[in-house]
Amino acid sequence: NAGVTQTPKFQVLKTGQSMTLQCAQDMNHEYMSWYRQDPGMGLRLIHYSVGAGITDQGEVPNGYNVSRSTTEDFPLRLLSAAPSQTSVYFCASSYSLNTEAFFGQGTRLTVV
Amino acid sequence: KQEVTQIPAALSVPEGENLVLNCSFTDSAIYNLQWFRQDPGKGLTSLLLIQSSQREQTSGRLNASLDKSSGRSTLYIAASQPGDSATYLCAVHYGNNRLAFGKGNQVVVIP
Repeated sequence: NAGVTQTPKFQVLKTGQSMTLQCAQDMNHEYMSWYRQDPGMGLRLIHYSVGAGITDQGEVPNGYNVSRSTTEDFPLRLLSAAPSQTSVYFCASSYSLNTEAFFGQGTRLTVV
Repeated sequence: KQEVTQIPAALSVPEGENLVLNCSFTDSAIYNLQWFRQDPGKGLTSLLLIQSSQREQTSGRLNASLDKSSGRSTLYIAASQPGDSATYLCAVHYGNNRLAFGKGNQVVVIP
């Protein structure tokens, strides 16, 4: 098993550009989520999914969209990048309710 | 809103000493608590998961305790080694596998 795979690892965007951060897991996990990690702020939940076709907002959802058409994939879309979205983004997955969460290696995004 | 606090934010210990890392949370209605390790520029590695019905969980040199009623968890690392140098993150599960994180304990083990 590859676990949770995030691509790309690094990305630089210009203000106003859009992009999609990819997250895939091969563990047949039902639950997936996106977090951002900023210095001094810790990790904060952006969006999460409890299964294919079901998503919901987390603590900081503005400026981000998600969809979950398959169990394996949970992409995060930035619609119009802003410097405030410069951060490290982590994807996580869990097999079922209240079980151990596993994280990807992160995507370091810089918006200039 | 669930608030998670980790104290101290940073600490240095000589090799061989036991490490004690503290985590507190404001809402005792949690499903479980998970400790992670993060190395600089890397992702999060799961260390231990403590179910809300458990009092402690052990893995090798690591032992984590949980006191839901007082909103506290402690991670003990026995006989610390330089390879234990990292940031340790505490996270509480508060429903639908959502996690609320503390800001971490940055640990340096001095050889």
